[in-house]
Amino acid sequence: AQTVTQSQPEMSVQEAETVTLSCTYDTSESDYYLFWYKQPPSRQMILVIRQEAYKQQNATENRFSVNFQKAAKSFSLKISDSQLGDAAMYFCAYRSAKYSGGSNYKLTFGKGTLLTMNP
Amino acid sequence: GAVVSQHPSRVICKSGTSVKIECRSLDFQATTMFWYRQFPKKSLMLMATSNEGSKATYEQGVEKDKFLINHASLTLSTLTVTSAHPEDSSFYICSARVGSAVSYEQYFGPGTRLTVT
Repeated sequence: AQTVTQSQPEMSVQEAETVTLSCTYDTSESDYYLFWYKQPPSRQMILVIRQEAYKQQNATENRFSVNFQKAAKSFSLKISDSQLGDAAMYFCAYRSAKYSGGSNYKLTFGKGTLLTMNP
Repeated sequence: GAVVSQHPSRVICKSGTSVKIECRSLDFQATTMFWYRQFPKKSLMLMATSNEGSKATYEQGVEKDKFLINHASLTLSTLTVTSAHPEDSSFYICSARVGSAVSYEQYFGPGTRLTVT
């Protein structure tokens, strides 16, 4: 079974600074997807960024980028020019790309990293 | 983007009663929906995968008879917590699959806070 580990329960960052959230995963599969989700205080889960394992190029979405190291099974999220609205819980998630029916659609989540903004 | 709604957003019920939570895809059809449970400051725990027109697939340790899932249409899945007890109090989140079987996104509803007294 796949596992996702987020080793930082909490992180803090100053406004306009850069912060990197760590995520490692364990899988025996070669093809899969990785995601970062944001959960603000409203509890609404929002997709921040996704990465296909077969793509070597790191995904970017505006101020958000990832450092995907497939051999090391590492998938960190970098938030540049941090803003107050970035304060939230961030979850790393894994999904298999192998189609075998409904069960493989499921996401495996890490335990999350709470990102707070320093005043 | 795709919008998923949940109703109600909050519900309080007495111990021993049943409560139904609805999950709707508002602007797309969802053949697959998911139900999660989240405890305070914890991660999302997948309870079951709901496929339209067929029985839900439950994760290990989730009681099928306690958490009844119905996915009768392409835009609606319901979770019924039967004979609720205080330990069932939690935040329940649904999500819906958008896209093909291989490449798709999951869009999440805003969640339902259940309190059992």
